[in-house]
Amino acid sequence: GIQVEQSPPDLILQEGANSTLRCNFSDSVNNLQWFHQNPWGQLINLFYIPSGTKQNGRLSATTVATERYSLLYISSSQTTDSGVYFCAVAGNTPLVFGKGTRLSVIA
Amino acid sequence: KAGVTQTPRYLIKTRGQQVTLSCSPISGHRSVSWYQQTPGQGLQFLFEYFSETQRNKGNFPGRFSGRQFSNSRSEMNVSTLELGDSALYLCASSLVGGSGEAFFGQGTRLTVV
Repeated sequence: GIQVEQSPPDLILQEGANSTLRCNFSDSVNNLQWFHQNPWGQLINLFYIPSGTKQNGRLSATTVATERYSLLYISSSQTTDSGVYFCAVAGNTPLVFGKGTRLSVIA
Repeated sequence: KAGVTQTPRYLIKTRGQQVTLSCSPISGHRSVSWYQQTPGQGLQFLFEYFSETQRNKGNFPGRFSGRQFSNSRSEMNVSTLELGDSALYLCASSLVGGSGEAFFGQGTRLTVV
């Protein structure tokens, strides 16, 4: 099945800094989503981005499907950005998740 | 538009008991998927239902089962609970599943003692 690798596993930032999270996947996909898991466990949708580039406020994402990777950019980070970020992909299968990147933003 | 609703939010059960978790998808969504999240194994796919039929199944023992009703609401059942079943169970709702964007509920946190 599809393999998903996220890097880095952990990231500590000062408030105001920028960051890039990476997601590599092993096969062609029809679906790629980025989620933020809040402290109560809910997965919050950030982007549905099987290809191309999208932006939403301080967050943006790019997926290069032909090279099998996606990047999530967080600019001017805030303490409320802390948490775990997951990338999930689907081919002709249900979503497969990476292990996540744990982001800690320090004031 | 209401989101995905999972009940109950928290549950404590004893080893050997069984448990039923419920998920109401977004109105109009026909695909419901279930995931188990544990610190050691991460997020793992349990099964997917589409129009009352199980379409995909993950690598879990037969103690884990599910069903979907005609209104797209889904339940999952775990029988003969083991300590290792303690986890956050997440339900995802999607128009078509697979390539369609998935939206998750708040989860049910199950503790087996």
